[in-house]
Amino acid sequence: DTAVSQTPKYLVTQMGNDKSIKCEQNLGHDTMYWYKQDSKKFLKIMFSYNNKELIINETVPNRFSPKSPDKAHLNLHINSLELGDSAVYFCASTQGTGAYEQYFGPGTRLTVT
Amino acid sequence: GNSVTQMEGPVTLSEEAFLTINCTYTATGYPSLFWYVQYPGEGLQLLLKATKADDKGSNKGFEATYRKETTSFHLEKGSVQVSDSAVYFCALSDSGGYQKVTFGTGTKLQVIP
Repeated sequence: DTAVSQTPKYLVTQMGNDKSIKCEQNLGHDTMYWYKQDSKKFLKIMFSYNNKELIINETVPNRFSPKSPDKAHLNLHINSLELGDSAVYFCASTQGTGAYEQYFGPGTRLTVT
Repeated sequence: GNSVTQMEGPVTLSEEAFLTINCTYTATGYPSLFWYVQYPGEGLQLLLKATKADDKGSNKGFEATYRKETTSFHLEKGSVQVSDSAVYFCALSDSGGYQKVTFGTGTKLQVIP
């Protein structure tokens, strides 16, 4: 059973297009995250939702819009894709506040050409 | 704000060598500290954690001790294996509120037979 799943695993698209990445967790967690990992493996938090409510919104271009239809799902929509958006995007979830482990999805490798 | 500093990689070791990956942090309050590991093509997974000063986290032969006086959480393993080749991330989470995790830049470890 996959704990945190993401689709698609690979996404190749052209500049200017709009695309979405989906994430689902079956762990019953309340909090979900989106991270961006660049080619040097640097991991940067983008957004976090707790029970469908946005709680962390880092300095991210407003072309990126997260949506959480329920606490098990957190999707990421990206408008007007740019070359610099090429990266691996990870979804993660955690039980709640405190020193809880974050569970990561397998990642979505986005390539913008 | 919070920050995590890790030694730069890559680190290349022969099998059965001793491993140390240094990690220091800056944080207000009493953060929890983590080591995550990322194997090629996968998401991050928790390796070990410590939630208060002098705690020692351990897993799969890896250890790290929460040192408040030196604000450090160095990762060690007595005898590395080829299968330990991965990228290792030191991280901390806030002591209060929603869990925002700050990751280090990651250290790539390559173990050669």
